[in-house]
Amino acid sequence: EIVMTQSPATLSVSPGERATLSCRASQSVSNNLAWYQQKPGQAPRLLIYGASTRATGFPARFSGSGSGTEFTLTISSLQSEDFAVYYCQQYNSWPRTFGQGTKVEIK
Amino acid sequence: EVQLVESGGGLVQPGGSLRLSCAASGFTFSSYWMHWVRQAPGKGLVWVSRINIDGSATSYADSVKGRFTISRDNAKNTLYLQVNSLRAEDTAVYYCARGGTFGLSYFDCWGQGTLVTVSS
Repeated sequence: EIVMTQSPATLSVSPGERATLSCRASQSVSNNLAWYQQKPGQAPRLLIYGASTRATGFPARFSGSGSGTEFTLTISSLQSEDFAVYYCQQYNSWPRTFGQGTKVEIK
Repeated sequence: EVQLVESGGGLVQPGGSLRLSCAASGFTFSSYWMHWVRQAPGKGLVWVSRINIDGSATSYADSVKGRFTISRDNAKNTLYLQVNSLRAEDTAVYYCARGGTFGLSYFDCWGQGTLVTVSS
């Protein structure tokens, strides 16, 4: 099983600032990496797939990068609606595995 | 509009059973792999099970293998998860999620979830 490790667990950021979230896989997942956004009381929502392709409905301030074992989600200028928990997930092998999440909170 | 609506959750005693359902609409259900993902209260996401387009291939997380059974009825556009021998650690919101038209895919659409609480 591929273990996905996200850091940091919590990120305190002021509105308008940049946020950088990291995700590491215990073995290569190529670019088969997705990011999801989850707000309290809501289902997760696909944000990024293929490590860097933005899903429908998300603005350009969200970007993903990386391949192999190291991945990054960047939010260039945080807006109030971006405060949420973000999960990475590999879909390169079974079982599909998620990171433990990074909570982006208001500083 | 693509929509997934789960139902069937509730309070059940340890050792009990439930059948969760996920009604799909707005897309060709029979063309997509489908998954169940769960989230214990205050915890992260855990993949539970998947089924291919015609139901001929399934797989499970080790933690539920032998106790949970995934199935689908393409005529009814519905995904199921039969959960048996429930344990306290199975308490979670269970989400159904759409995979791709082949195995190598992310989850691009999620239902709102159904809560399963295992307690005496």
